[in-house]
Amino acid sequence: QQQVKQSPQSLIVQKGGISIINCAYENTAFDYFPWYQQFPGKGPALLIAIRPDVSEKKEGRFTISFNKSAKQFSLHIMDSQPGDSATYFCAASKGQNTDKLIFGTGTRLQVFP
Amino acid sequence: EPEVTQTPSHQVTQMGQEVILRCVPISNHLYFYWYRQILGQKVEFLVSFYNNEISEKSEIFDDQFSVERPDGSNFTLKIRSTKLEDSAMYFCASSGTGSDEQYFGPGTRLTVT
Repeated sequence: QQQVKQSPQSLIVQKGGISIINCAYENTAFDYFPWYQQFPGKGPALLIAIRPDVSEKKEGRFTISFNKSAKQFSLHIMDSQPGDSATYFCAASKGQNTDKLIFGTGTRLQVFP
Repeated sequence: EPEVTQTPSHQVTQMGQEVILRCVPISNHLYFYWYRQILGQKVEFLVSFYNNEISEKSEIFDDQFSVERPDGSNFTLKIRSTKLEDSAMYFCASSGTGSDEQYFGPGTRLTVT
């Protein structure tokens, strides 16, 4: 019940295309859903996050869509660029300061020019 | 922009030796975490720390692990007797009061030989 399932494992997109990564969770106590971007040899960098009280959040080219009833959320990267090539992790927590992040298994995104 | 820093960037040690990984969280943050990432796998929670005590620890965080905040700026993870399976990237993260956002450091690559 603590797991966050993420798909696909890898994704290849052409420059200018839309990248979509999906995550699903079981624990209804989760209240905070961030996405992290990780480049090789670096730490995860917080990209965008959402709470269940909204169905969508957009920041620049990055959008999170959230479906509370289905317990699913997804990251959409519009106009994907080669610089977006990285591993993306979804995560979930109960939204309290001391609570741990439960990470998905990651999606390796490659954007080709 | 404030950031979490970690030292060393790479630590090589022999099995059975003690290692101390160091982190300097963002200065006004009060909640601290350690995570690890085995090569090519997802990020896993180890321990959270607040008000000079452990808030939560995972099954991975056994008696060989300990954390400490020895002064007002550093946060350390000690592994008393390293095993081959401790080889991983170790990430420190911190968050501020009233915020769910966890900011990660660049990580320490621990190699146990």
